[in-house]
Amino acid sequence: AQSVTQLGSHVSVSEGALVLLRCNYSSSVPPYLFWYVQYPNQGLQLLLKYTTGATLVKGINGFEAEFKKSETSFHLTKPSAHMSDAAEYFCAVSLYNQGGKLIFGQGTELSVKP
Amino acid sequence: EPEVTQTPSHQVTQMGQEVILRCVPISNHLYFYWYRQILGQKVEFLVSFYNNEISEKSEIFDDQFSVERPDGSNFTLKIRSTKLEDSAMYFCASMADRGSSYEQYFGPGTRLTVT
Repeated sequence: AQSVTQLGSHVSVSEGALVLLRCNYSSSVPPYLFWYVQYPNQGLQLLLKYTTGATLVKGINGFEAEFKKSETSFHLTKPSAHMSDAAEYFCAVSLYNQGGKLIFGQGTELSVKP
Repeated sequence: EPEVTQTPSHQVTQMGQEVILRCVPISNHLYFYWYRQILGQKVEFLVSFYNNEISEKSEIFDDQFSVERPDGSNFTLKIRSTKLEDSAMYFCASMADRGSSYEQYFGPGTRLTVT
């Protein structure tokens, strides 16, 4: 069965610093990978996704992630953090042969210090 | 831009009562999902629905839960006899089709509080 592990339940960075949120997955077949963001008291918003093709994917708000099959990773990065990036970030995996259900990681809360 | 909507935004109910959570998916989408998020925990898959039937359900989705698409637009989650541990945020999501980007669009959620 597939699973997702996010290293670090809480990451704190200074404004303008690099953001790196880690995600590793376990899957018996090539997965589709997603990053979602959840702002306080709101729903989940898709940041970016990897399905096939280019392994470096760019998303909204300046975020990007790279699919590394050999490392079973899909880490999320942003070169320069902004105060508005403070939120909960969830990595998720989906398998083509399982009707699209998403399996989520535990989430990483990102804090941005001024 | 089309969006998934959910009502109510917050539901308070007493243990043992039945609740119905409502969702209106994006109109041309074919796949529908319910997830839940207990406070402070990760988002968990409950059930997926396609072609007017359940396509997959998790072990959480036991006999007290049911889903329905009564009129071709709404998608409901019913909890027959609520328990304290059912208190959570419930998210509805919809997806266009499996041949597309596999992107699910989430509603804003219904916060269910069982007292």
